[in-house]
Amino acid sequence: DAGITQSPRHKVTETGTPVTLRCHQTENHRYMYWYRQDPGHGLRLIHYSYGVKDTDKGEVSDGYSVSRSKTEDFLLTLESATSSQTSVYFCAISSGTANYGYTFGSGTRLTVV
Amino acid sequence: GNSVTQMEGPVTLSEEAFLTINCTYTATGYPSLFWYVQYPGEGLQLLLKATKADDKGSNKGFEATYRKETTSFHLEKGSVQVSDSAVYFCALPDSGNTPLVFGKGTRLSVIA
Repeated sequence: DAGITQSPRHKVTETGTPVTLRCHQTENHRYMYWYRQDPGHGLRLIHYSYGVKDTDKGEVSDGYSVSRSKTEDFLLTLESATSSQTSVYFCAISSGTANYGYTFGSGTRLTVV
Repeated sequence: GNSVTQMEGPVTLSEEAFLTINCTYTATGYPSLFWYVQYPGEGLQLLLKATKADDKGSNKGFEATYRKETTSFHLEKGSVQVSDSAVYFCALPDSGNTPLVFGKGTRLSVIA
């Protein structure tokens, strides 16, 4: 979707290095989310934001932090990457609560070696 | 919290066959229910939704009815095409209208 972009699309990093993934939206939506997708697990929520500087943890938040200093950007940081964080990461946005549904980005494939 | 269970795949069908992907849910109250589709190499896209009991969501020939009595939201299509090959996810908000909870996904392959 043109209103939401993720960067980078692909990244290979070494164990123990910090990594930051970016989600950028042009829709001025209040809510932003980070999920990871793994075989056999579907999508699992990492963190989400309900406004600038307002964030909350999801089901699998350990090892991840987020920041949202402006409406359009939501950053996901792996402070010290581990092999278990190899995954595909999706950002999503919504104009209201989850009952409104989401628009997803195209994903970032992260490999930790 | 709320949860969904969807049938495991993969599902392989011939073109023009009838499709059903089962989804059942556990929820407090009556949240909206969703089906998302993920084509290879892409993010998820909203396929259809239903906001209350007995609502039928529909899009691109797919349908799903919000069944309160059976706590189900099964996805159906009368005649699948090769282009429908994708992974399908059932979802609903967690309790209190917090973020969406997704099923594990069902991979559909349609062969010509």
